[in-house]
Amino acid sequence: QVQLVESGGGVVQSGRSLRLSCAASAFTFSTFSMHWVRQAPGKGLEWVALVSFDGTNTFYADSVTGRFTIARDNSKNTLYLHMNSLRPDDTAFYYCAREGRATRFHTLDLWGHGTKVTVSS
Amino acid sequence: DIHVTQSPSTLSASVGDRLTITCRASQSINSWLAWYQQKPGKAPKLLIYKASTLETGVPSRFSGSGSGTEFTLTISSLQPDDYATYYCQVFSGYWTFGQGTKVEI
Repeated sequence: QVQLVESGGGVVQSGRSLRLSCAASAFTFSTFSMHWVRQAPGKGLEWVALVSFDGTNTFYADSVTGRFTIARDNSKNTLYLHMNSLRPDDTAFYYCAREGRATRFHTLDLWGHGTKVTVSS
Repeated sequence: DIHVTQSPSTLSASVGDRLTITCRASQSINSWLAWYQQKPGKAPKLLIYKASTLETGVPSRFSGSGSGTEFTLTISSLQPDDYATYYCQVFSGYWTFGQGTKVEI
């Protein structure tokens, strides 16, 4: 069925790096822009990054600019989030999400189940 | 940067109640607003997009309205499955979420 499945989360020390993956299935991945959104424990949703359908354009929240890199491999139907210089306040569930098209533009119409990242000090 | 204010933060309600949640943006966003429902331990689920369009499969007791800077999500008759946290999300160059509204008994 149409779905997104994240992986790669875990416990990492402050200052280290981690790469998250998001595998897409049952839709034409290469035609959708994709996002990462995170949620700290007990907190609300925070948009993190966007990559365009072809990978040529990326946008980041100020809180991760210069540390995180969003990328995609359309041949593998996979989205990535490379996270460097991790800090304790990066601790969160990380969700990948699909941006809708046409009237669903700027809307996140499909979400993965999330992967948990814990940054220890 | 755009600021998004969602209210109330918590809402106590009973089955059958009519609920209204408000989302205000610090600048006009036309109708680029969506509403999501999130249950504990689950991913958010899209309910409404373009301020007032119901996502496929979402019950008709949910509705959205508004334009410019003020928007509302209404649940016409609260059902047991509706106890959750609701988020608005706006687009004004970037994607910004409201703080969330927890609907509880």
